[in-house]
Amino acid sequence: ETGVTQSPTHLIKTRGQQVTLRCSSQSGHNTVSWYQQALGQGPQFIFQYYREEENGRGNFPPRFSGLQFPNYSSELNVNALELDDSALYLCASSSRQGMRDTQYFGPGTRLTVL
Amino acid sequence: QKEVEQNSGPLSVPEGAIASLNCTYSDRGSQSFFWYRQYSGKSPELIMFIYSNGDKEDGRFTAQLNKASQYVSLLIRDSQPSDSATYLCAVNAGGFKTIFGAGTRLFVKA
Repeated sequence: ETGVTQSPTHLIKTRGQQVTLRCSSQSGHNTVSWYQQALGQGPQFIFQYYREEENGRGNFPPRFSGLQFPNYSSELNVNALELDDSALYLCASSSRQGMRDTQYFGPGTRLTVL
Repeated sequence: QKEVEQNSGPLSVPEGAIASLNCTYSDRGSQSFFWYRQYSGKSPELIMFIYSNGDKEDGRFTAQLNKASQYVSLLIRDSQPSDSATYLCAVNAGGFKTIFGAGTRLFVKA
């Protein structure tokens, strides 16, 4: 167990809807990264939050947005859902130490878009 | 060229053998290297990280890094059926972004 929790575990939405996924980071960690993992692929970086600020973003459209709260928990919001958004969404927490960012994953949220 | 490349496998080894998993990366500025294990339907689990050239051993696992060749590998000694999983190589160039390979599926036959 990494101490990183995510909710919900599974979610089914229809195209065009909006979804919010939640993540609680491991105690002592101030950085949260979100990833999308399609079936048979490696995790793809969506964005990272460090001390409540977006610290960097991957190649995802603006309808993917996020927040980090003072307790370092985080949310991922996806608007106008598309069928291709169906994937496992992973949250990873870490404690930034200079150039080193060792990330620990939560159990993930399986999103299905119909 | 993909930023982090792995052979998708499947790699099949008999129980008790050494499994060798390989990964190459394209960014010469990469600083940190990670191996994650992912069982089907589960999230990735960190098993090794390595920052310096050479070998790093942890139990049955050895990570090997060669920055000149842009190559990182994972050896699993005395492979067990419970080691059957997908192994993900991940690379960080010192910024906010960790890049993952697509993973290598490993099957350990009893």
